[in-house]
Amino acid sequence: EVQVLESGGGLVQPGNSLKLSCATSGFTFSTAWMYWYRQFPEKRLEWVARIKAKSNNYATDYTESVKGRFTISRDDSKSSIYLQMNNLKEEDTAIYYCEGVGIRGWFAYWGQGTLVTVSS
Amino acid sequence: DVVMTQTPPSLSVAIGQSVSISCKSSQSLVASDKNTYLNWLLQSPGRSPKRLIYQVSKLDSGVPDRFSGSGSEKDFTLKISRVEAEDLGVYYCLQGTHLPRTFGGGTKLELK
Repeated sequence: EVQVLESGGGLVQPGNSLKLSCATSGFTFSTAWMYWYRQFPEKRLEWVARIKAKSNNYATDYTESVKGRFTISRDDSKSSIYLQMNNLKEEDTAIYYCEGVGIRGWFAYWGQGTLVTVSS
Repeated sequence: DVVMTQTPPSLSVAIGQSVSISCKSSQSLVASDKNTYLNWLLQSPGRSPKRLIYQVSKLDSGVPDRFSGSGSEKDFTLKISRVEAEDLGVYYCLQGTHLPRTFGGGTKLELK
């Protein structure tokens, strides 16, 4: 059974940091490309970051609004990815989802999400 | 950024009816490897999104063949034949050809 489980969300003040985790099982993590997305309160979905597999040198990409503030990383030994979020802004308030995508896109699994609220 | 324009924003359907959802991109979604990375996802009420279709027309494992995807370049369609209650929710198209990956605004499928 495939499991994708995000954690680490919560209430944080503007300017502070938070680290999200995404633990997976049930699929070949080491060759999967992993993604973070977010869904704003108005339900709009946005891609946040991507990290490729070891064979692609763990290359990373980010949406413009989080560049320099967010860092995606992965630990293949734990089948997990992370999102370090620094200098958080109120507009970062959203549910954050993790997705694992297999080689050639043959599978894609989303987690249940973790809520991040940035507010003073 | 590639803008994904999804229509209609909502659909009211009866069980057993067939429906189509359109997704148009501001740029061609044909990638340098000749593949077209256009996905369709369903977010059922209270749930996270789930991918149904990838590369325009390939069904994910376990997705009923009542679902079908078609299209090319900049114009794509999701068709649901014989809608069932479990199909209700919000459908999104997502392009993965260009960075940043971008979503359509969603189509809410409701019961008539």
